[in-house]
Order: sequence, then C-alpha cells, then structure tokens
Amino acid sequence: QVTLKESGPVLVKPTETLTLTCTVSGFSLSNARMGVSWIRQPPGKALEWLAHIFSNDEKSYSTSLKSRLTISKDTSKSQVVLTMTNMDPVDTATYYCARTMVRSYGMDVWGQGTTVTVSS
Amino acid sequence: DIQMTQSPSTLSASVGDRVTITCRASQSISSWLAWYQQKPGKAPKLLIYKASSLESGVPSRFSGSGSGTEFTLTISSLQPDDFATYYCQQYNSCTWTFGQGTKVEIK
Repeated sequence: QVTLKESGPVLVKPTETLTLTCTVSGFSLSNARMGVSWIRQPPGKALEWLAHIFSNDEKSYSTSLKSRLTISKDTSKSQVVLTMTNMDPVDTATYYCARTMVRSYGMDVWGQGTTVTVSS
Repeated sequence: DIQMTQSPSTLSASVGDRVTITCRASQSISSWLAWYQQKPGKAPKLLIYKASSLESGVPSRFSGSGSGTEFTLTISSLQPDDFATYYCQQYNSCTWTFGQGTKVEIK
C-alpha cells in the first residue's frame, strides 16, 4: 500500500523558516517512474503547486516562490523535505505532498495534509 | 508560466444531470492535463490523467477530453457522491499549475 504522510510545525512565526517532511511508504524515492511534489491550499482557496523532486534528484520550483523554497530527499529514510523561508501570514495553508507518476505527470497518491498557521 | 482557467467557477446541478467543466491553458500543453476531485477537509483525488485516461478505480461516468489548450471533464450522470470541487492541473517544462477550481453544488 502506497502512503505519504506530512509532518511539521502547526504554528510558525512571521519571518521564520518552515520545514516540512513527507515520509513515504510502499514505493522507493529512487524509482525512476515516480517523483514527489509539494502542494498547498490556503483556507477556502485553490490548490497551488510548490515544488517537485525527481528520482534522479532533479528539482523544480514554482516560479513565484522559487527564491524561498528548497526541496530535498533522503532515499534511505524515504523522506522528502521542503523548506520555505521568510514565512508570512499569507502562507497559512494546508500543505500536501503527493506522488507524481512520470508517465502522466499526474499526482496519483496524496498525503492527508498538514495545516500550518503563520502568526505571531 | 502557464495559466489554467476553469469555467464555470460554480455549477448547480441535480442528481442524474450531465455535467461538463472546461479548463483552458494559456498555451499548448499537448495532453499533459489531469483532473482531481476534492471534498471538504480531504486531499484531492486523481480522476483523469493525460487528458482522457481514467485512473484505476474511478467510475466510468467520469471522462475527459481535449488537447492543446482546451479540455473538458464530463460526468455523464451526476451521483450524490460527486458533489465536490474539481481542479484541472497541467504539466509543462517541469512545472505544474492548477486551475482555480469548479464547485459542483446541489441544485
């Protein structure tokens, strides 16, 4: 069974750096047919793609947030980590990680999401 | 960046209705388009990938079509479980973009 689970702080202060971890099971982060994306959703708003990491460690980022994001993976731990610097209240959202299939670039399995609030 | 525009933003329909949602890309994305269903408080669920391929386990009343810049998601006969928000998502040049969503409400 393929699962992804997000973890990280519930509350961060403005200007702080957010670090989120996605722990996957049921597949390997070294599988060339798959990658992992991070997506967020502010309350009541649409989904926003943030970043993606491929099995060969190639990374891609949202153009609008590229300067603030870093994605990395630890294949041995089955974890994908996203850091976002200089957090602001507008970054309050539910953050999801999802497996992406290279054959379709669709996101076929999602984590349950983790809600992050940015407030002083 | 490629922008995705969905229409309508909200759709009121009855059980049994045929429902069509449109997604337009700001430039050609070939067939790299997916559709998702999201219910309140839940993660999105993949319905359609590569514009018209039905994800395993998804009911056959869902179908997708289109290529280039214009795509549609059709629900042939709306069921009570289908009232939700639907998102399109494109892939191009190592970036992904979601549409703004279409909420399907009970009429």
